[in-house]
Amino acid sequence: SQKIEQNSEALNIQEGKTATLTCNYTNYSPAYLQWYRQDPGRGPVFLLLIRENEKEKRKERLKVTFDTTLKQSLFHITASQPADSATYLCASNAGNNRKLIWGLGTSLAVNP
Amino acid sequence: NAGVTQTPKFQVLKTGQSMTLQCAQDMNHEYMSWYRQDPGMGLRLIHYSVGAGITDQGEVPNGYNVSRSTTEDFPLRLLSAAPSQTSVYFCASSYNFGGLGDGYTFGSGTRLTVV
Repeated sequence: SQKIEQNSEALNIQEGKTATLTCNYTNYSPAYLQWYRQDPGRGPVFLLLIRENEKEKRKERLKVTFDTTLKQSLFHITASQPADSATYLCASNAGNNRKLIWGLGTSLAVNP
Repeated sequence: NAGVTQTPKFQVLKTGQSMTLQCAQDMNHEYMSWYRQDPGMGLRLIHYSVGAGITDQGEVPNGYNVSRSTTEDFPLRLLSAAPSQTSVYFCASSYNFGGLGDGYTFGSGTRLTVV
């Protein structure tokens, strides 16, 4: 079945370093991938979308890559700050584009 | 403020009771959906709508009903609450079906406990 996997282990990094989160997909080829941020007790917030024909996309300190050979997307936060601490979710289109496939998310903690 | 508004934020129900979770958006989005989020299960799609008058089932529709009489509103009805429906419920909307462009906009959620 179509599946997205994200690292279930929390990522702890020092302030100022680059955080890198991984999203792997199996058994399908998504046309695009999306990344969301979710804070405790809140709904997910859309961050970035990258299409299959785009290798890389940037928005301020955020960078997303899409490698169709490795079936993987990487999400980078450069110059990380404690305010970046949250859970980050990866999602992609399903076959008919009427719903998304979601990963379980990776928790990021940025320590001052 | 523009966005997705969900009410109530918290609710406790007794087994067998029914209730409606409200969702409204003011962005003129055609696509609206309901998710539940449980620890270790992630976001699971309950029902979705691609426009007024059109609804369809997601992964976990049993025990829930929806209707879409206007573009703005997409209420979720629990017919006879069960403890297994204890969860956090999110409503989400987007301009198009797959969230292309600006992704999905989520409400702040309803935390439901069924005792």
